[in-house]
Amino acid sequence: NAGVTQTPKFRILKIGQSMTLQCTQDMNHNYMYWYRQDPGMGLKLIYYSVGAGITDKGEVPNGYNVSRSTTEDFPLRLELAAPSQTSVYFCASRPETITQYFGPGTRLTVL
Amino acid sequence: AQSVTQLGSHVSVSEGALVLLRCNYSSSVPPYLFWYVQYPNQGLQLLLKYTTGATLVKGINGFEAEFKKSETSFHLTKPSAHMSDAAEYFCAVSLYGGSQGNLIFGKGTKLSVKP
Repeated sequence: NAGVTQTPKFRILKIGQSMTLQCTQDMNHNYMYWYRQDPGMGLKLIYYSVGAGITDKGEVPNGYNVSRSTTEDFPLRLELAAPSQTSVYFCASRPETITQYFGPGTRLTVL
Repeated sequence: AQSVTQLGSHVSVSEGALVLLRCNYSSSVPPYLFWYVQYPNQGLQLLLKYTTGATLVKGINGFEAEFKKSETSFHLTKPSAHMSDAAEYFCAVSLYGGSQGNLIFGKGTKLSVKP
């Protein structure tokens, strides 16, 4: 049982490039989340999903897109990367109970 | 709207001293409350949570927190700090059943432990 896995661990992008951050969970959780963490700011919710085929915006969705075609996978897409998207990105999932389980994160730098 | 305030972005204690990390929340309804810990270059790990019932909650690694509704607080304590406790700690709230159980995080408190 690997829990929540994220790839890549690190990535450097140039301004205007695109990429997909991968998130997979093997716990059969319906709920999945993407957060970004900026120094001194805590974590902010980007998008979330309550099940396959259902996604919704969080607090800071601009510049990102998501899809949820399976229960296991919840990729986050960055189109036209900007320096403001330099951050650490965390994926999380939870079962019907309240506790969220976090992946190890992806550290993204946009230059 | 919910919000979480963590007093002190940095807290430094000596090994063996009491650890006290403060968290206050604002919510129109009783929330669910969490403390997460983040070690350097790692993800977040749940320390403890309060949902209902006993207001004093015990977590992993000797930490505990007390939910005080009248003070809208959920402070984290540990009687005796250990060097391995050095990490960043995040308080979070959720309105389970509303907003699909999303977590609202405080800005975090970095704990340093001096030998």
